[in-house]
Amino acid sequence: NAGVTQTPKFQVLKTGQSMTLQCAQDMNHNSMYWYRQDPGMGLRLIYYSASEGTTDKGEVPNGYNVSRLNKREFSLRLESAAPSQTSVYFCASSGGKGGGRVEQFFGPGTRLTVL
Amino acid sequence: AQTVTQSQPEMSVQEAETVTLSCTYDTSESDYYLFWYKQPPSRQMILVIRQEAYKQQNATENRFSVNFQKAAKSFSLKISDSQLGDAAMYFCAYQRQGGSEKLVFGKGTKLTVNP
Repeated sequence: NAGVTQTPKFQVLKTGQSMTLQCAQDMNHNSMYWYRQDPGMGLRLIYYSASEGTTDKGEVPNGYNVSRLNKREFSLRLESAAPSQTSVYFCASSGGKGGGRVEQFFGPGTRLTVL
Repeated sequence: AQTVTQSQPEMSVQEAETVTLSCTYDTSESDYYLFWYKQPPSRQMILVIRQEAYKQQNATENRFSVNFQKAAKSFSLKISDSQLGDAAMYFCAYQRQGGSEKLVFGKGTKLTVNP
């Protein structure tokens, strides 16, 4: 049981390049999330998917797109990377509504640098 | 919109002593969850403790306990018998019950444990 996995762990991009961050969970969770963590800012929600087939914007969605590929996988895409997107990105999942399964479990994070 | 405030950017404690980290939040909801997450230098987000707003009893997990004051919208974390491994960033987080289950994080408190 690997929990939440993210790839890659580190990435360096040049301004304007594109890339996709991958996230997968093996806990049969309904909901998945993407956060970014900047120094002194805590974690902020980029996008989330409450269930398979749905996605919604969070607090800071500009410059990102997401795909909920299936129940296990939720990817985050940067179409044209900018230096302001230099950050640590975390994927998380939770069981969804009901049953008290509200805790979010986090992946190990991806450190992204945009030059 | 809900907000979470951690007024102590940094705290320090002597090994074996007790420390309390503060958190206040703002919400108009009556049902919600509150969490404390720990982030050690490894960057992994680890759930420390959770509190349901409808429960009057304060949550405890071994050496970790909370003081939940619903009327004051306060949710502090007490760490007893501090250990060197407790050194980390600690984040307070709010989650509305139902709906999208998004987490709203505070900016964090860096805890140093002195031997």
